[in-house]
Amino acid sequence: AQSVTQLGSHVSVSEGALVLLRCNYSSSVPPYLFWYVQYPNQGLQLLLKYTSAATLVKGINGFEAEFKKSETSFHLTKPSAHMSDAAEYFCAVSAKTGANNLFFGTGTRLTVIP
Amino acid sequence: DAGVIQSPRHEVTEMGQEVTLRCKPISGHNSLFWYRQTMMRGLELLIYFNNNVPIDDSGMPEDRFSAKMPNASFSTLKIQPSEPRDSAVYFCASSLGDRGPYEQYFGPGTRLTVT
Repeated sequence: AQSVTQLGSHVSVSEGALVLLRCNYSSSVPPYLFWYVQYPNQGLQLLLKYTSAATLVKGINGFEAEFKKSETSFHLTKPSAHMSDAAEYFCAVSAKTGANNLFFGTGTRLTVIP
Repeated sequence: DAGVIQSPRHEVTEMGQEVTLRCKPISGHNSLFWYRQTMMRGLELLIYFNNNVPIDDSGMPEDRFSAKMPNASFSTLKIQPSEPRDSAVYFCASSLGDRGPYEQYFGPGTRLTVT
């Protein structure tokens, strides 16, 4: 079975500082992995996805994530936080075969301090 | 593409009333998902369909909840009778479910308030 764990339900960073949101996955085989962002009063929007083509995945708005099999991690980073990055971020996993649904983490709320 | 369309965007109803939420998936997508989001329980998968057939409804909280997908371009989630604890934001999402990586595209959600 697939699952993800997001460490830290709330993360605060200063504007211009590094953003690091943590996600660890559990899967018996290499999975597909995703990061979604949810701005206030909106639906979830896909930031980036890992499909095994490359371990470093670049997404929208300057975000990227690195798949590390040895650490079963898929952490999300951005070199310099903007005020507009304040949102909730969800990590998700799906299997490559069988069921096609996603398993979401509990989310991390990012606050950017001016 | 218009994306996933949900209606209504906001619904306020009284306890005991029937509520119907509607969703139009992205054209060509063959998987559709209904989620509920609350502060207390976060994002929960209620039910999902592949090719209009319900695959997993284990997340549907009670018999008061039902979902249908009569065709590839329309789905409903019905609550009858509604209760205050059903107040939440309900999201519909769709994906190309027959080949990976199965990323889902979400609608804007319906904010339901039951008084």
